[in-house]
Amino acid sequence: EVQLVESGGVLVQPGGSLRVSCAASGFTFSRHYMHWVRQAPGKGLVWVSRINGDGSHPEYADFVKGRFTISRDNAKNTVHLQMDSLRAEDTAVYHCVREKYYNLDVWGEGTTVTVSS
Amino acid sequence: DIQMTQSPSSLSASVGDRVTITCRASQGINNYLAWYQQKPGKVPKLLIYVASTLQSGVPSRFSGSGSGTDFTLTISSLQPEDVASYYCQNYDSVPLTFGGGTKVEIK
Repeated sequence: EVQLVESGGVLVQPGGSLRVSCAASGFTFSRHYMHWVRQAPGKGLVWVSRINGDGSHPEYADFVKGRFTISRDNAKNTVHLQMDSLRAEDTAVYHCVREKYYNLDVWGEGTTVTVSS
Repeated sequence: DIQMTQSPSSLSASVGDRVTITCRASQGINNYLAWYQQKPGKVPKLLIYVASTLQSGVPSRFSGSGSGTDFTLTISSLQPEDVASYYCQNYDSVPLTFGGGTKVEIK
């Protein structure tokens, strides 16, 4: 069964840092781009970042560029999102998502990041 | 960045009605347009990709059409289980922007 399981979401103070992770199983991980998509409480979906199969080409939304870093470990079938200089507006559920041919076909349940003092 | 504008933001229709949701891109996206359904409290689910290709397992009452900048998601006969929010997504270029969503309810 194809599965994505996120972890690492916690309450963090503004200006703080946090790394969330995603463990993948049930498919050939290195063959797929992987994404992070977030959803603030009661709001819509927002694309955050993606990384290609070998990890050589990360891409970011403008509002996280310079603050967030996506990475992957193909030996461990994991993808990470390092989040620095966190702001209140970064509060959201962060979903790990698999890409397959111009779409996001498998979504994790998400991990909740709360930025508050 | 490509902006994706969905309309309406919400709608209420009767069971069996034909429902249409539109999505407009601020520039051409080469038909790289996906639609997702998110039921209350659930994870988004892929419905349609490259504008009109139905994802495996999705009921045939869902269909997508359009090209260039204007796209449509149609539910041919609304069912109670279709109550959800629907999102379009630009898949042509980064950032892979989503539309603001359309909330569908039963009248």
